Amino acid sequence: EAQVTQNPRYLITVTGKKLTVTCSQNMNHEYMSWYRQDPGLGLRQIYYSMNVEVTDKGDVPEGYKVSRKEKRNFPLILESPSPNQTSLYFCASTKQGEQFFGPGTRLTVL
Amino acid sequence: AQSVTQPDIHITVSEGASLELRCNYSYGATPYLFWYVQSPGQGLQLLLKYFSGDTLVQGIKGFEAEFKRSQSSFNLRKPSVHWSDAAEYFCAVARGSTLGRLYFGRGTQLTVWP
Repeated sequence: EAQVTQNPRYLITVTGKKLTVTCSQNMNHEYMSWYRQDPGLGLRQIYYSMNVEVTDKGDVPEGYKVSRKEKRNFPLILESPSPNQTSLYFCASTKQGEQFFGPGTRLTVL
Repeated sequence: AQSVTQPDIHITVSEGASLELRCNYSYGATPYLFWYVQSPGQGLQLLLKYFSGDTLVQGIKGFEAEFKRSQSSFNLRKPSVHWSDAAEYFCAVARGSTLGRLYFGRGTQLTVWP
């Protein structure tokens, strides 16, 4: 089944404790992205990747890192999480402009 | 810079009534346009997309949208709403040269009264 998977689905952590949210797609798509969704703000793109080892900033990259060492994986790294990064995060892979979204990761930073 | 505006934060309609959700974008050239739906507690599902050609596009679940270049709009319509259509709807735009770079509107929450 074609899909985008994210782990974990739910995470509660404390300020400053490094964390990684994994994302994997099995559709061999070149483009992948990370978004955060906050009430009243819609989805905002954090980072996107056009292919292996090629990434670029989106609208809200501050406080986040990404890497794309393999085509299928695109992890999101929060080196020192802060409470303002509490949000719902979506990974997506893209083919011909259509975004295929993962199920989301709800992150709470205390 | 590109932006997407969904003027209506919340819309309430009765079941069986027609629906129109508005979306305006700012971008010089012809954009790639999308509508996504998010049901409560769920991820996002593509309803329809416009890349080129016929300006009236059909999507899933009986939705359609019309691209109007002169008005920079891409409004979503449905002739008869069902209770299961209650969800949040997002309009999004991308440039042809960077399809991975997508800009979303803030969303319109749809409530359907029985």
